Amino acid sequence: GQQVMQIPQYQHVQEGEDFTTYCNSSTTLSNIQWYKQRPGGHPVFLIQLVKSGEVKKQKRLTFQFGEAKKNSSLHITATQTTDVGTYFCAEMEPRPNNSGGSNYKLTFGKGTLLTVNP
Amino acid sequence: EAGVVQSPRYKIIEKKQPVAFWCNPISGHNTLYWYRQNLGQGPELLIRYENEEAVDDSQLPKDRFSAERLKGVDSTLKIQPAELGDSAVYLCASSPGTGVTSTDTQYFGPGTRLTVL
Repeated sequence: GQQVMQIPQYQHVQEGEDFTTYCNSSTTLSNIQWYKQRPGGHPVFLIQLVKSGEVKKQKRLTFQFGEAKKNSSLHITATQTTDVGTYFCAEMEPRPNNSGGSNYKLTFGKGTLLTVNP
Repeated sequence: EAGVVQSPRYKIIEKKQPVAFWCNPISGHNTLYWYRQNLGQGPELLIRYENEEAVDDSQLPKDRFSAERLKGVDSTLKIQPAELGDSAVYLCASSPGTGVTSTDTQYFGPGTRLTVL
């Protein structure tokens, strides 16, 4: 399967500053999901992007899918200490299931670790 | 609604010993996944089950790893014998995955942190 590359690997910000992490691929992505993993925790689903150029917002979080579906970004406005954690993008590769539909195999990037200084 | 349950949460063993992890998915979820997450990396899929059938085990190191989901609910992942490089967090996830239109969200359990000495 293809790999998704995430940058930066680490980002440290002051509380109130903005933060952006990028997910890039050399080939066209099917769909993208974003997850957040708190330190010592497990990945928690944030959002799924399907359409070319799609933009979705969740409060201070803005998710974008590139027009060519080769990149995606997550932007956090005015970070808070509760935003600390690792943010992963994951490419969804469709896999046929036994019911005639599809499940998805997730291929995760390496993540961006965000730390916030209060 | 209870989430994905995994046990044990932590396991420390010596190399060459066997180890097993257990997962109980969210009730009603037909699809179950085992992932391995190394420090500083994203989760990597080991195996995916639809009910009791392993439909994607291409990344499972079959010489020492095995998994089962006999009744299509709980699942166990076993390593025998463990090697130093197996130290990682083993995550279980589940998704509804029913019918033609499967739900795409995967719900992860808390994981089992394995340390091989």
